[in-house]
Amino acid sequence: AQTVTQSQPEMSVQEAETVTLSCTYDTNESNYYLFWYKQPPSRQMILVIRQEAYKQQNATENRFSVNFQKAAKSFSLKISDSQLGDTAMYFCAFMKLPSGGAQKLVFGQGTRLTINP
Amino acid sequence: DTGVSQDPRHKITKRGQNVTFRCDPISEHNRLYWYRQTLGQGPEFLTYFQNEAQLEKSRLLSDRFSAERPKGSFSTLEIQRTEQGDSAMYLCASSPTGTGYGYTFGSGTRLTVV
Repeated sequence: AQTVTQSQPEMSVQEAETVTLSCTYDTNESNYYLFWYKQPPSRQMILVIRQEAYKQQNATENRFSVNFQKAAKSFSLKISDSQLGDTAMYFCAFMKLPSGGAQKLVFGQGTRLTINP
Repeated sequence: DTGVSQDPRHKITKRGQNVTFRCDPISEHNRLYWYRQTLGQGPEFLTYFQNEAQLEKSRLLSDRFSAERPKGSFSTLEIQRTEQGDSAMYLCASSPTGTGYGYTFGSGTRLTVV
């Protein structure tokens, strides 16, 4: 079974700083997807960024980028020029390529990120 | 399209009572998922529907839990004889046909069993 580990339960940075959230995963699959989701306080979970394992190029979405190291099974999220609205729980998630059936997400425990003014 | 809607947002119930939650997915999405999230943890998979067919259930889903998705539209999750351990956030999500798409989540239903 796949597992996802986020080793930083909480992080705190000043507004405009850059912050990197760590994620490692364990799998024997060669084809899969990785995701970062953001869950603001009392609000719904939102997809931040998605990475296909067969792509070597790291995904980027505006201020959000990932460092995907397939051999090391590492998938970190970098937030540049952090903003107060980035304050949220961040979850790393793994999805293996399904052979029919559910495309299940396996989530890590989350990192609580606080951006301070 | 207003996204994935869940109702109610909060539910407080006494132990032993039955509760039912509703999820309205994005209309074009044929895949629907239920997850459970306890405090300080990531969501855990409960069950999956493709259209109206329930194709997979987690071992977390005991016999007291049942889910339906009549006509492949909205879905309901019922918990019978609730226990304090059922207290959690119940999240619904939907995704389109295709491989590797991320989910669109609803805001969740927070259940408190007293």
